[in-house]
Amino acid sequence: KAGVTQTPRYLIKTRGQQVTLSCSPISGHRSVSWYQQTPGQGLQFLFEYFSETQRNKGNFPGRFSGRQFSNSRSEMNVSTLELGDSALYLCASSSGQGPYNEQFFGPGTRLTVL
Amino acid sequence: AQKVTQAQTEISVVEKEDVTLDCVYETRDTTYYLFWYKQPPSGELVFLIRRNSFDEQNEISGRYSWNFQKSTSSFNFTITASQVVDSAVYFCALAGYGGATNKLIFGTGTLLAVQP
Repeated sequence: KAGVTQTPRYLIKTRGQQVTLSCSPISGHRSVSWYQQTPGQGLQFLFEYFSETQRNKGNFPGRFSGRQFSNSRSEMNVSTLELGDSALYLCASSSGQGPYNEQFFGPGTRLTVL
Repeated sequence: AQKVTQAQTEISVVEKEDVTLDCVYETRDTTYYLFWYKQPPSGELVFLIRRNSFDEQNEISGRYSWNFQKSTSSFNFTITASQVVDSAVYFCALAGYGGATNKLIFGTGTLLAVQP
């Protein structure tokens, strides 16, 4: 089985711009979760989608949004980028809904905001 | 509130040494799950183990072993006869089940450097 894929792997944007990150889960997995990893805040949960519906959300401002398509692929969008949004964004897929399931992570998208 | 503490920021050992990574957690949930993930320099988190709160049996998988003790709220990870390939950041994580906090909470990670 192919693993979780994320595109693009690297991204450079400037403040005020918006960005869309993509995640393709493992075939058959219906849950996709997104995490932000920074040196200062560590790994933080952004949100989880299951069957095209957002099921859980972390403590992030509304500039962070996401969606999931019928094929379980997910996109994450960050609008009005700030310098503090520079981070590694990790996507994880799971066969079941909920954080207690085993999650398989992708390689991440490294976003740099200048 | 739920919290995971990994007090060891960095550990450096020489190959073939045994090393234990500590993890202490806090939760009010009666049912919860604990995880260990490995993050090599490539950045991808690799799942190592999942344990639920009702299963306190220690587990061994090759050179890896885990010690879960509810009495001390700890879930420690031991690597026996460490190898250079074990060099990575290791994260302990906690997830509630059916509780108010429905997300995976990570510790700050322990950077393990295994020197040849």
